[in-house]
Amino acid sequence: KAGVTQTPRYLIKTRGQQVTLSCSPISGHRSVSWYQQTPGQGLQFLFEYFSETQRNKGNFPGRFSGRQFSNSRSEMNVSTLELGDSALYLCASRFTGGDTGELFFGEGSRLTVL
Amino acid sequence: AQSVSQHNHHVILSEAASLELGCNYSYGGTVNLFWYVQYPGQHLQLLLKYFSGDPLVKGIKGFEAEFIKSKFSFNLRKPSVQWSDTAEYFCAVQTGGGNKLTFGTGTQLKVEL
Repeated sequence: KAGVTQTPRYLIKTRGQQVTLSCSPISGHRSVSWYQQTPGQGLQFLFEYFSETQRNKGNFPGRFSGRQFSNSRSEMNVSTLELGDSALYLCASRFTGGDTGELFFGEGSRLTVL
Repeated sequence: AQSVSQHNHHVILSEAASLELGCNYSYGGTVNLFWYVQYPGQHLQLLLKYFSGDPLVKGIKGFEAEFIKSKFSFNLRKPSVQWSDTAEYFCAVQTGGGNKLTFGTGTQLKVEL
């Protein structure tokens, strides 16, 4: 069974640009969430999607947005990039039937903002 | 809002030494508790989890953790570490349903031969 797949794995952007990151969950998983990982702040929850609806949102500015498609794939977008947005962005999926609560993480998309 | 504290940021041990990593959380209600591990260059993987029942839970690779509700703690233990246990370890708390986990800042473990 394939794991959570994130693309691209690495990208470099400049301040003011925008970026879109993609996540394909494990087959059969309908719930997807996004986390930002930085050395200073650790892992912080961005948002969660289930059946194309945002269920929960973390404490990030409106520049951070996301969506989920009918096939459960998800994208997140960061507009007007700032230097502080440099981070590893992790996607996690979960099987929500007979819920055990376990999240399966992808390898992440490493964003560098110059 | 809930928070998770991992008191040891960096731990260095020799092979065969015993390991205990501390994790405390602040939340008065029902919680699900997790330990995740991130090996160098790899994705986060679940080591073990606690939802209910026996407060001593066993995970993969010989790890175990004990939930002590009165102390709001969920410490990770391993009797004898190996060089391959070198990794970063994260404690996490889930309250309510959904995918929102609150993570601790992580503990970097280095095991020396």
